[in-house]
Amino acid sequence: EPEVTQTPSHQVTQMGQEVILRCVPISNHLYFYWYRQILGQKVEFLVSFYNNEISEKSEIFDDQFSVERPDGSNFTLKIRSTKLEDSAMYFCASRRQGGTDTQYFGPGTRLTVL
Amino acid sequence: GENVEQHPSTLSVQEGDSAVIKCTYSDSASNYFPWYKQELGKRPQLIIDIRSNVGEKKDQRIAVTLNKTAKHFSLHITETQPEDSAVYFCAAASNTGNQFYFGTGTSLTVIP
Repeated sequence: EPEVTQTPSHQVTQMGQEVILRCVPISNHLYFYWYRQILGQKVEFLVSFYNNEISEKSEIFDDQFSVERPDGSNFTLKIRSTKLEDSAMYFCASRRQGGTDTQYFGPGTRLTVL
Repeated sequence: GENVEQHPSTLSVQEGDSAVIKCTYSDSASNYFPWYKQELGKRPQLIIDIRSNVGEKKDQRIAVTLNKTAKHFSLHITETQPEDSAVYFCAAASNTGNQFYFGTGTSLTVIP
């Protein structure tokens, strides 16, 4: 069964550095999402992406964040200048259609900002 | 925006008993409500979902009910087993389906 994949599984970075988190959605999916989960807390929506543009974004997704689909398979989340409070698990998700279609999550990237 | 509340935050049951987790939402336009199970350090896994044109859905030991008038939905797990122990999250999708709002999670422990 196809799965969403993410790399790396764990990223450690210094405060102020840029990081890029990578995701490969399920191949015939058209809608892509990024979420974050601070340790022990709920999953928080960051951004949704469809047809090569952002559909919706939360207040967390400020100018320090950007997303890109650089080719036909990858979907990336860039954090320009990381802060300590960016430390969290970041999940990518995808689904084939919008509306009420099922969403599938990747295994996550644990980001640690020192 | 949507606000999803989830109760209880922790729940312990004896093996074989039932577990019920409840969520409320605020936006009457929300029309899709998935439930996820998350084991420690793992990704959220969809276990069941319900769309707003249905009042109840069942899949073996798991069922979800939706009351659109009251804006609440519940997860029911019957005949609980130790492997059901995990954190469970409810979620509500925005009316566009482009944004998902998660509850704060319920840590379920099934005692053998």
